[in-house]
Amino acid sequence: DAKTTQPPSMDCAEGRAANLPCNHSTISGNEYVYWYRQIHSQGPQYIIHGLKNNETNEMASLIITEDRKSSTLILPHATLRDTAVYYCIVPIYGYSTLTFGKGTMLLVSP
Amino acid sequence: NAGVTQTPKFQVLKTGQSMTLQCAQDMNHNSMYWYRQDPGMGLRLIYYSASEGTTDKGEVPNGYNVSRLNKREFSLRLESAAPSQTSVYFCASKSTTNEKLFFGSGTQLSVL
Repeated sequence: DAKTTQPPSMDCAEGRAANLPCNHSTISGNEYVYWYRQIHSQGPQYIIHGLKNNETNEMASLIITEDRKSSTLILPHATLRDTAVYYCIVPIYGYSTLTFGKGTMLLVSP
Repeated sequence: NAGVTQTPKFQVLKTGQSMTLQCAQDMNHNSMYWYRQDPGMGLRLIYYSASEGTTDKGEVPNGYNVSRLNKREFSLRLESAAPSQTSVYFCASKSTTNEKLFFGSGTQLSVL
């Protein structure tokens, strides 16, 4: 997978927006950006993915810069249940496997 | 729709014992995966099966074997368990149309 860089941890107040950054400066033109999260002791859960346009679903929004070298996952109104490790992944096009790094530990506090 | 089902949820083994972790998916996915996760670390790929009848090594395959029994089932076997294999094991599946992985709830394995 294309290398991604995420901060190891972030804090967010409950009810505020959580903005999680990811750098992927070596991304190729046909590679997507995927986000997953892992709540303590559970299996990772898919959140959202995108190629170059901004995307939104019921869980989050994904903002990808015009040069596609970085992206931001936005949780618009974070809740305590959003406390988790968030993984940004750029799978290599045509390969079957996904590599999970250490991600960002998001702590949402009351 | 159960998704990805793993059994057992918990297991304690003695060094040298063998066991098989079972995984089944009901989403008609072609690809299936086994990951392990150690405390404070990300997930590491053990083995994967891109389609029925094929299996390939991942990042940490030593000490494990796998069987893609059919399209639904992908098992992971520890022939002679070692304390270094104490970990949480996750099975996942994925369709060929995108990179959306669906994970099971995990198996917590302790080898004494």
